[in-house]
Amino acid sequence: GAVVSQHPSWVICKSGTSVKIECRSLDFQATTMFWYRQFPKQSLMLMATSNEGSKATYEQGVEKDKFLINHASLTLSTLTVTSAHPEDSSFYICSARETSGDPYNEQFFGPGTRLTVL
Amino acid sequence: DAKTTQPNSMESNEEEPVHLPCNHSTISGTDYIHWYRQLPSQGPEYVIHGLTSNVNNRMASLAIAEDRKSSTLILHRATLRDAAVYYCILRAGANNLFFGTGTRLTVIP
Repeated sequence: GAVVSQHPSWVICKSGTSVKIECRSLDFQATTMFWYRQFPKQSLMLMATSNEGSKATYEQGVEKDKFLINHASLTLSTLTVTSAHPEDSSFYICSARETSGDPYNEQFFGPGTRLTVL
Repeated sequence: DAKTTQPNSMESNEEEPVHLPCNHSTISGTDYIHWYRQLPSQGPEYVIHGLTSNVNNRMASLAIAEDRKSSTLILHRATLRDAAVYYCILRAGANNLFFGTGTRLTVIP
């Protein structure tokens, strides 16, 4: 199956700093990528949908100025958590849908990035 | 998006079949039934999906009720590696995936 990678796999930062997380589709092109957040013992929550070459679409309640998404190529989307605070500590997961594939088919998920803000 | 209801947790003995139920009484005609699973500290993994007919793949089988208001994910022989949270998700066409609370499967050696 198709592979999605994330970098870094974990990051610890100080409160007030910004953190960038990369999501790459390794062996396929992805016009659309998705960013999720998961708090401990909870389910995944969709944060935003990232479309190559256009602005991301954010879910209700997600601050677009705090969670900056850039999808500059068909294989790379980045999520930047700006001015991170302890409440932003979470497991961030991206997923991608293959451009040439059937849109009704599966999404491929990355391994996740664990962010801890001190 | 239509909602799904799953048991919070289930247990199975290793090497035995597991039937994971999912109720989706408000499913619409265009909703596909998707199953994903998430192993600890990993991203979700696609398992199977279907619309009306039962589906089989190398990982599992999906049995869909005739009225489509429920479905069952079948793992034919549970292994310790199958211990995970299993999510049943209704997806309207090519729309986004919205995850519910899922079923935590424990496999007993």
